[in-house]
Amino acid sequence: QVQLQQSGPGLVKPSQTLSLTCAISGDSVSSVSVAWNWIRQSPSRGLEWLGRTYYRSKWYNDYAVSVKSRITINPDTSKNQFSLQLNSVTPEDTAVYYCVRDGRPMGLFDYWGLGTLVTVSS
Amino acid sequence: QSALTQPRSVSGSPGQSVTISCTGTSSDVGGYNFVSWYQHHPGKAPKLLIYDVNKRPSGVPDRFSGSKSGNTASLTISGLRAEDEADYYCCSYAGISTHVVFGGGTKLTVL
Repeated sequence: QVQLQQSGPGLVKPSQTLSLTCAISGDSVSSVSVAWNWIRQSPSRGLEWLGRTYYRSKWYNDYAVSVKSRITINPDTSKNQFSLQLNSVTPEDTAVYYCVRDGRPMGLFDYWGLGTLVTVSS
Repeated sequence: QSALTQPRSVSGSPGQSVTISCTGTSSDVGGYNFVSWYQHHPGKAPKLLIYDVNKRPSGVPDRFSGSKSGNTASLTISGLRAEDEADYYCCSYAGISTHVVFGGGTKLTVL
């Protein structure tokens, strides 16, 4: 059974960097058949896919156009986890952030973390 | 504004059936058979109910079924139970650039 354990601060100041980590158990971040995603949910924007990282002989990343200039998703093979960094945050980035496994990377989100509410406020 | 349009709420009595629609475009729902549905009880992790329009992961009851016609996908829940009361979201693959888009979610109330 795959489990995703999220960690990171719940409060970030405007213009600073939002950082979250997702620890994986029951699978490997280097698995060649899946992808590891970050998705957020807010009342104003609903569910929004942010980006993903995956390994196919080498590492790849894809990011949503809406955040592409501000986002980095990195795998950490030594700890079997992956991370999200979102720079220059504004109150619009306030949301519940989920780490999610895509079991067949065309949008088959089969395992989700519990979510982290991140509030952007001074 | 979500890319896919869902009704904000639906309701039904125990034992009845309800259908939740998810309307997109030919660039997402209508263009690919990669529609999935998720059940979300507040405070819990969302759960995959349906993938590839009408396939169920193991462990999901056959009371949950999916279909698609043109640019609209549908989730039908038959034999409603109290525990089905939750938020339901649709999702569609939308091509290499966009990857996936979601619906705004539908709140199901079991009366």
